[in-house]
Amino acid sequence: SQELEQSPQSLIVQEGKNLTINCTSSKTLYGLYWYKQKYGEGLIFLMMLQKGGEEKSHEKITAKLDEKKQQSSLHITASQPSHAGIYLCGADSDTDKLIFGTGTRLQVFP
Amino acid sequence: EPEVTQTPSHQVTQMGQEVILRCVPISNHLYFYWYRQILGQKVEFLVSFYNNEISEKSEIFDDQFSVERPDGSNFTLKIRSTKLEDSAMYFCASSSDGGLGEQFFGPGTRLTVL
Repeated sequence: SQELEQSPQSLIVQEGKNLTINCTSSKTLYGLYWYKQKYGEGLIFLMMLQKGGEEKSHEKITAKLDEKKQQSSLHITASQPSHAGIYLCGADSDTDKLIFGTGTRLQVFP
Repeated sequence: EPEVTQTPSHQVTQMGQEVILRCVPISNHLYFYWYRQILGQKVEFLVSFYNNEISEKSEIFDDQFSVERPDGSNFTLKIRSTKLEDSAMYFCASSSDGGLGEQFFGPGTRLTVL
């Protein structure tokens, strides 16, 4: 079965710093989703990537799917306290269910 | 902006009791899902539902679980006889495109089994 591993598990950065979160799949990715979750709350959709080499940006968050389609990275530029939360990558399996990664907890301090 | 809603936000129940978690998916969506997240663990798929029937279920989704779309708007998850290990956050999601597009998640129901 497909597994998604995220790194790092936890990240503490100072406001204004850039950061990157990685998501590595044990199998080829056909659809890769990034969600953000605040502790104890629901999942907020950030971006979806499907094509190898595809890159998408929304405000200060950029996500990329590598050419071999087994890894994705999420990059935040000039982090702010509002970026704090748990970032989850999710992948389409061979059916329509999503398989989720282990999550990366981001804290941003002033 | 349309959103998935879930009720209640928090449910506390005694072991062995039945619980029903309710979800109102986005109105024009056709694919519905339940996921759960035990505290500190991954979000795990439970079941998908399309055209009034289960399309896929995980091994977690045993005979104690059932889903229903009783009317045109609600989508429910029933746990017949709750166990301590059922304590988790339960998320409902819906999608217009099945495996081709984004799944929109609800805010979750936190289930605590005592």
